[in-house]
Amino acid sequence: EVQLEQSGAEVKKPGESLKISCKGSGYGFTNYWIAWVRQLPGQGLEWMGIISPGDSNTIYSPSFQGQVLISADKSIKTAYLQWTSLKASDTAMYYCARSYTSESFFDLWGQGTLVTVSS
Amino acid sequence: EIVLTQSPGTQSLSPGETATLSCRASLSVSKYLAWYQQKPGQAPRLLIYASSDRAIGIPDRFSASGSGTDFTLTISRLEPEDFATYYCQQYGSAPHTFGQGTKLEIK
Repeated sequence: EVQLEQSGAEVKKPGESLKISCKGSGYGFTNYWIAWVRQLPGQGLEWMGIISPGDSNTIYSPSFQGQVLISADKSIKTAYLQWTSLKASDTAMYYCARSYTSESFFDLWGQGTLVTVSS
Repeated sequence: EIVLTQSPGTQSLSPGETATLSCRASLSVSKYLAWYQQKPGQAPRLLIYASSDRAIGIPDRFSASGSGTDFTLTISRLEPEDFATYYCQQYGSAPHTFGQGTKLEIK
């Protein structure tokens, strides 16, 4: 089955670090790009950035540049989204999604990872 | 950054009726526009890409059109499972922004 499996929900305190994951299966992982999309509680979708797992070429939205780090390990078919110092405003659902190129739509989505940041 | 504006914000219709959703871009995106459906507690699902091409498994009740800055998603003969939130997304220019969504609710 072709799918993106995301890591489980996280509860963190402000200032803590976090790395969430997205594992691809059932397709050639390096043949597609993986994007991250944020959804704040009750809000719409925001495109954060996208990575090519084959060569780790990464494009960030200006809104998220410097705020998060997107990476990938092609040997284990997994992409990552990480923070070095979380804020309460990072509380959101985060989705990974597959894209055929860096300039394409998302044909496959992960189930989402809920990140809650609270003191 | 290209801004996508969806209208209406909420549309109330009955099953069997036709929904017409609009997405307007602040700059031309040619035909690089997709539509997604999201139900509560679920990830978005691709409906339409390249402005008017249906994704695999999407019924022909869903149709879409447009190019440049004005796009429309039409859902004919609404079924109960169609009541959800719909987002447009442009992928012509990074960052690949989304519209704010249109919630389709049962009247």
